[in-house]
Amino acid sequence: ETGVTQTPRHLVMGMTNKKSLKCEQHLGHNAMYWYKQSAKKPLELMFVYSLEERVENNSVPSRFSPECPNSSHLFLHLHTLQPEDSALYLCASSRGGLAGSNEQFFGPGTRLTVL
Amino acid sequence: QKEVEQNSGPLSVPEGAIASLNCTYSDRGSQSFFWYRQYSGKSPELIMFIYSNGDKEDGRFTAQLNKASQYVSLLIRDSQPSDSATYLCAVYNTNAGKSTFGDGTTLTVKP
Repeated sequence: ETGVTQTPRHLVMGMTNKKSLKCEQHLGHNAMYWYKQSAKKPLELMFVYSLEERVENNSVPSRFSPECPNSSHLFLHLHTLQPEDSALYLCASSRGGLAGSNEQFFGPGTRLTVL
Repeated sequence: QKEVEQNSGPLSVPEGAIASLNCTYSDRGSQSFFWYRQYSGKSPELIMFIYSNGDKEDGRFTAQLNKASQYVSLLIRDSQPSDSATYLCAVYNTNAGKSTFGDGTTLTVKP
């Protein structure tokens, strides 16, 4: 399989559930990203992992917890989410990382609904 | 003021016309500029990137960058109905490790 893959593609969860989103890139890239895209809002960068470091948007609530075990895999652990967290969560990867060109390639996204 | 501003849409052009999408940015440290296309219900896909002042052409697409004016544009020549999508402008400041997207401009190409 090529490119950037994400699982699951759709997820419905209650506010007390714990779930994880998975992203895998097969492009040999060195950096991976989590974005949130809500209706009628611009893409919001949540987390960045590169060979050098992890960068996070300070406005992201602690109920979102990323994990990057290696350069090809990225997880987003979710717990005690709120209905306003319902959105499309996009994973992306890039070759250059934070110091590079940042030409990002996106996965298909996970459509999350929090009830 | 938004860090990345795109011309408000929706933008509608007839088939075969030139579609012009504009983007201004406030961070003078921005070094890389990207245009993504996003079809409804799909994830964004990179279509053009530019780093240097001037024009960059790729098929029917031309990206134009003017760092002094903090302006980047995307021209689509011979627009096709399949070009109908939302176009996202993104700027990247390498030193700050910061990536910022605009709200997007929705383009409709009418047959």
